[in-house]
Formats: sequence, C-alpha cells, structure tokens
Amino acid sequence: QSALTQPASVSGSPGQSITISCTGTSSDVGGYNYVSWYQQHPGKAPKLMIFDVSNRPSGLSYRFSGSKSGNTASLAISGLQAEDEAHYYCSSYTSSNAVVFGGGTKLTVL
Amino acid sequence: QVQLVQSGAEVKKPGASVKVSCKASGYTFTSYYMHWVRQAPGQGLDWMGIINPVDGSTTYAQQLLGRVTMTRDTSTSTVYVELSSLRSEDTAVYYCAKGGRWELIDHWGQGTLVTVSS
Repeated sequence: QSALTQPASVSGSPGQSITISCTGTSSDVGGYNYVSWYQQHPGKAPKLMIFDVSNRPSGLSYRFSGSKSGNTASLAISGLQAEDEAHYYCSSYTSSNAVVFGGGTKLTVL
Repeated sequence: QVQLVQSGAEVKKPGASVKVSCKASGYTFTSYYMHWVRQAPGQGLDWMGIINPVDGSTTYAQQLLGRVTMTRDTSTSTVYVELSSLRSEDTAVYYCAKGGRWELIDHWGQGTLVTVSS
C-alpha cells in the first residue's frame, strides 16, 4: 500500500489561511469518508485534528476544517498562529482493510 | 481521560526480537480496537496493524506479515506488539493508538523508541 501524497512543506504568515492536500486513489481516499488528519509537534505524539473527512473532535478550534473531492482530501487552517507550526499527516482507511498515512507536511508559520 | 502508557526505550541487536507494552486506562478496554503505528527517525507514520481486545483477533500490515505479533491481556488492560528478526530499518518510535472505530485513531500513547544496532 503506497503512502498518500502530501506536499513536503507549506508556509504562511500569522493570520493567513493555508491548505494542505492529501491525494490517494479510489481504493482509499476516494472510496471512503474515513479520512483523518493529525498534528504532530517535534518529539510529541500525533494529535487527532479532523476525522471522517470534515469532523472536528470536541473542543478543537474551528480554525481547522477538512474536505474531500474525488481522491484528494484537504486540511484548511485559518487565522494561522505560531502554535500551528508542526507536521500534519493525513490517513485513510483502505480497501485492503488497512490504514494508510500520508508522507506528512511541515507547516511553517513565518 | 484516556491514557495509554507505554514501556520504556529498548536497544536490540539485529536479528533479535522486541516486545513493547501499552497499558490503557480511562475507558472500557474491550470496547475499542488498538492500533500500532511506528515512525522512523525524521520520517512519517507507518501503520503496523490492529488488535480487537475482545477476542484478540488481529490485522497486520502486509509488509510486516510473519514478523509482527499483537496480543492483549484483558486482566490488565494491556496490549503488546512483538517484532522479530529486527533489522536497522526497524529503528523507530513505536506508538499504540486507540481506535475510536476500526478505521479511526483518536488517542495516542507517548511512544517507545526501539533502536536496532550492532
């Protein structure tokens, strides 16, 4: 199972909005509404930010949102803050009854 | 609150085996699946497999078949992952992660560093 494709890096200034893409196939991202997004700060465990394409866990900031079109899912972050600087990973359920992650995207807040 | 507490760091020689534990608390252990995910230094997340705490049934990632075994102890709410025939490429932080559903990971352990070196 190949990893989902994410851009290696994205950047934005405080207050701006950014989007991170996650491209798979019809056997994973395109075939199921089971896309999740995780935030990982250096040396820390990942944290769930978005599940089932567009749902936020209870208590998570509204600045984070998710969507999907065809085989590509996206994570949008609005009103960028310094603490948003981290790596972000997407994941999807697959037709092989497995979970596959994206390669990760490093977000830099300028 | 959900807590997943993992065992400490390990250093192993190539060809050896390693067993990492993960003790769960703050929820009903048998109500949720448990995943194992690893992360090599400076790399992304790599799904290893999943165990059903109710009956111990497992699904493993294709690339680890034959080398990985996941087990659980319901009396202590603990899950284990054992990886055999270790090679240098297995050097990574190993995470246990609670499944909100089969396909959803919603909480992560703190991670266990396994170093494979001669």
